Amino acid sequence: QSALTQPPSVSGSPGQSVTISCTGTGSDIGTYDYVSWYQHHPGRPPQLIIYDVNQRPSGVPDRFSGSKSGNTASLTISGLQAEDEADYHCCSYAGSYSYVFGSGTKVTVL
Amino acid sequence: QVRLVQSGAEMKKPGSSVKVSCQTSGDSLNTYTITWVRQVPGHGLEWMGGIIPALGRVNYAQTFEERVTITADKSSNTAYMTLRSLRFEDTGVYYCAREFYYMDVWGKGTAVTVSS
Repeated sequence: QSALTQPPSVSGSPGQSVTISCTGTGSDIGTYDYVSWYQHHPGRPPQLIIYDVNQRPSGVPDRFSGSKSGNTASLTISGLQAEDEADYHCCSYAGSYSYVFGSGTKVTVL
Repeated sequence: QVRLVQSGAEMKKPGSSVKVSCQTSGDSLNTYTITWVRQVPGHGLEWMGGIIPALGRVNYAQTFEERVTITADKSSNTAYMTLRSLRFEDTGVYYCAREFYYMDVWGKGTAVTVSS
């Protein structure tokens, strides 16, 4: 199972919006609505910010949103804030109780 | 509130094995699935495999299936991940997480260093 494809980095100024893409195949993202996104600050465990494509766990700000079209999922951060600077990883269920993660995207707040 | 408490950092020699533990606090291990994820420098997160303790079912990522074993001891609410034939490139942080098609509760991670 190959890693899902994410851009290595994206950047934006405070208040702007950024979108991170996550491209898979018809065997993972294209088939299952079990796409999740994780925010990962160095030295801390990853934190779930989106699950089931577009659901936000309790406590996650609504400036984080998720979507999916075909084999590609996307995470949008609206109203970018300094504390959003982190690595972001997508993940998809791939059937037969297996998962595949993305290659990770570093978000820089300019 | 459920917590996952992982064992401490490990330093290992190439070719040896490491066993990392993950104990649930605040809930029974039987209640859910435990998955193992690692991050090595320069790479994204990698799913290694998982276990459904209630069913005794285990599955491994193809990348790791020849070298990893995941087990669970329901009596102590502890899951284990053993990685064999360690290589320098296995150096990284290993996480356990609770999984329901997404990973919502994570352990703090166990740093594994492979060095001669």
